[in-house]
Amino acid sequence: SQQGEEDPQALSIQEGENATMNCSYKTSINNLQWYRQNSGRGLVHLILIRSNEREKHSGRLRVTLDTSKKSSSLLITASRAADTASYFCATDRTSGTYKYIFGTGTRLKVLA
Amino acid sequence: EAGVTQFPSHSVIEKGQTVTLRCDPISGHDNLYWYRRVMGKEIKFLLHFVKESKQDESGMPNNRFLAERTGGTYSTLKVQPAELEDSGVYFCASSQDRHEKLFFGSGTQLSVL
Repeated sequence: SQQGEEDPQALSIQEGENATMNCSYKTSINNLQWYRQNSGRGLVHLILIRSNEREKHSGRLRVTLDTSKKSSSLLITASRAADTASYFCATDRTSGTYKYIFGTGTRLKVLA
Repeated sequence: EAGVTQFPSHSVIEKGQTVTLRCDPISGHDNLYWYRRVMGKEIKFLLHFVKESKQDESGMPNNRFLAERTGGTYSTLKVQPAELEDSGVYFCASSQDRHEKLFFGSGTQLSVL
């Protein structure tokens, strides 16, 4: 079963607007990561937030983590056409064998 | 520093044939993972190597899939015989330490006709 589920499944915004994507997961985690996938390419790591952190920033990216609600959000501020991609969250569970579990992703389209 | 490389980038085969995918992780990365994404669905975990040892192969669909990592360097994923439902993009990723970020290859697009 999926550990991480992103929503919305698809998001279309105008350049300059902010984009917010959410991720929900089911079990306790060590950390949560966000990745981006441009069409036809591999995934690129964006940011890692550990379970004892609540918020993290990297450039135009802001990630929050609420372990009580088992959810995370990724905010991209002042979006650009180049941000058009699919975004995935991946969770590192505390129990069971070690592997990162990904969701179905959010397809973001930024219109110029 | 070279990234994770995968070969081939695309493979089109007929049902019943055999295909072998290769992944070269970043040098020094002991952890190597295989994932698969079927169109529009989640990126699904297949297996995890630490050096040459399989740590977790719980995601391997069935015994038609065989992964190896001889010498703890590159890895191969063989599908024999391929079925239609094996189509998808196969990603390889590596990391230096557990609980750290993954570096992904560009993937192999496998189409089984």
